[in-house]
Amino acid sequence: AQTVTQSQPEMSVQEAETVTLSCTYDTSESDYYLFWYKQPPSRQMILVIRQEAYKQQNATENRFSVNFQKAAKSFSLKISDSQLGDAAMYFCAYRPIKETSGSRLTFGEGTQLTVNP
Amino acid sequence: KAGVTQTPRYLIKTRGQQVTLSCSPISGHRSVSWYQQTPGQGLQFLFEYFSETQRNKGNFPGRFSGRQFSNSRSEMNVSTLELGDSALYLCASSETRTSGSWSYNEQFFGPGTRLTVL
Repeated sequence: AQTVTQSQPEMSVQEAETVTLSCTYDTSESDYYLFWYKQPPSRQMILVIRQEAYKQQNATENRFSVNFQKAAKSFSLKISDSQLGDAAMYFCAYRPIKETSGSRLTFGEGTQLTVNP
Repeated sequence: KAGVTQTPRYLIKTRGQQVTLSCSPISGHRSVSWYQQTPGQGLQFLFEYFSETQRNKGNFPGRFSGRQFSNSRSEMNVSTLELGDSALYLCASSETRTSGSWSYNEQFFGPGTRLTVL
């Protein structure tokens, strides 16, 4: 079974600084997707960034980038120039690519990010 | 396009009752997944429906069931409610996008239904 682990229950960062959130996962699959989702106090789950396992290049989305280490099964999220609006719970998630798995996501425990002004 | 909608947003029930939650996916999306979010267990997959058929099921007791209608709207039902069923229930709809030889389901989440069982 696949598992996703986020070892940092809470993190804090100063506004405009950079923060990195950690995620490790375990799977026997070779093809899969990894995601970072953001859940603000409104509880609306928002996709931040996606990484395909077959791509060696790390995904980036504006101020958000990942460090994907497939051999180490590590998938960290870096937020640059942190803004107050980045404060939220961040979830790392995994989904195998194979069709039989459908759209099922396996989530980590989450990391609560606080941004200090 | 309108986003994923879930009704009701808040619900209070007592133990032993049953409850039905509804999810309307984004227009054109055929897949609907349900998740339970609790402080203790985190986010756990309940089930997924695709074209009115259950495609995947998580590790939940039979008290949890769902269905999907021809318009892709989905309902989940919990019978004989227990205190531990208190949770935020999230619905996600997805469509398949193709990039080269890979297909990808981008999921969009609804705002959730907060269920409290007293």
